[in-house]
Amino acid sequence: AQSVTQPDIHITVSEGASLELRCNYSYGATPYLFWYVQSPGQGLQLLLKYFSGDTLVQGIKGFEAEFKRSQSSFNLRKPSVHWSDAAEYFCAALNDMRFGAGTRLTVKP
Amino acid sequence: NAGVMQNPRHLVRRRGQEARLRCSPMKGHSHVYWYRQLPEEGLKFMVYLQKENIIDESGMPKERFSAEFPKEGPSILRIQQVVRGDSAAYFCASSPTANTEAFFGQGTRLTVV
Repeated sequence: AQSVTQPDIHITVSEGASLELRCNYSYGATPYLFWYVQSPGQGLQLLLKYFSGDTLVQGIKGFEAEFKRSQSSFNLRKPSVHWSDAAEYFCAALNDMRFGAGTRLTVKP
Repeated sequence: NAGVMQNPRHLVRRRGQEARLRCSPMKGHSHVYWYRQLPEEGLKFMVYLQKENIIDESGMPKERFSAEFPKEGPSILRIQQVVRGDSAAYFCASSPTANTEAFFGQGTRLTVV
C-alpha cells in the first residue's frame, strides 16, 4: 500500500544541537513530498516541498530536506535547533495527501 | 489574500446532536481536504473534495459523517448524532489544483459532552 512513514514518534534534542527527522515513503512512482510543522493548538504550516529537480530542498526557518530515491526517504534536517522549534512535524505525500503519524520534537535548554 | 478559514474554532455539542464544521478555502482554491486529529495522534485523512464533487472519501467513517463542497460557499463537514469519540480537532486544507501543496486552516476543536 502507498504510505508515508515517520519511524520516530518523539525526539528530544538539546538547543543548539543538530536535528534529523526521518520520513520514508512507499509509492510506485516518485511522490511529491512535504514537511509541515504544527505548533501546539495551531494548524499546520508548510516547511518545504519536493516535486522534482534538486534533491536537497531548502525551506523556511532554516530547515532543509534531502530526497533519496535509493532509500525511499525524505528526511528533514536543521543544523542548530532553537527552543522555538519544539513542535509536531509531519511528512506528507501529495499523491494522496496522506500524512505520516508525526514526530514530536522536544528541545532541552 | 486571506488564508484558509475554519469556523467555529471551538464547538461543543452534546451527545446525539449534530456538528457542522465550515471551511472557506483560500481564494482561487477549488480543492479541499479534511483531516481529523485525535489527542496525541497524527492527522488522519478523511475526505478530498473538488467543487461539487467528492474525489476521495476513503477516510470517512461509513455512518454519521458527510462532507460537501458546493459551487458557492464553504465546504461543510457534517457529523450527525455525535458521540464522545468524535471529540477531536478537525482540520481543513485547500489547494488551487490537484498537484500543489495544501494550505491549512487553524482547525475546529470539537468537544462532545
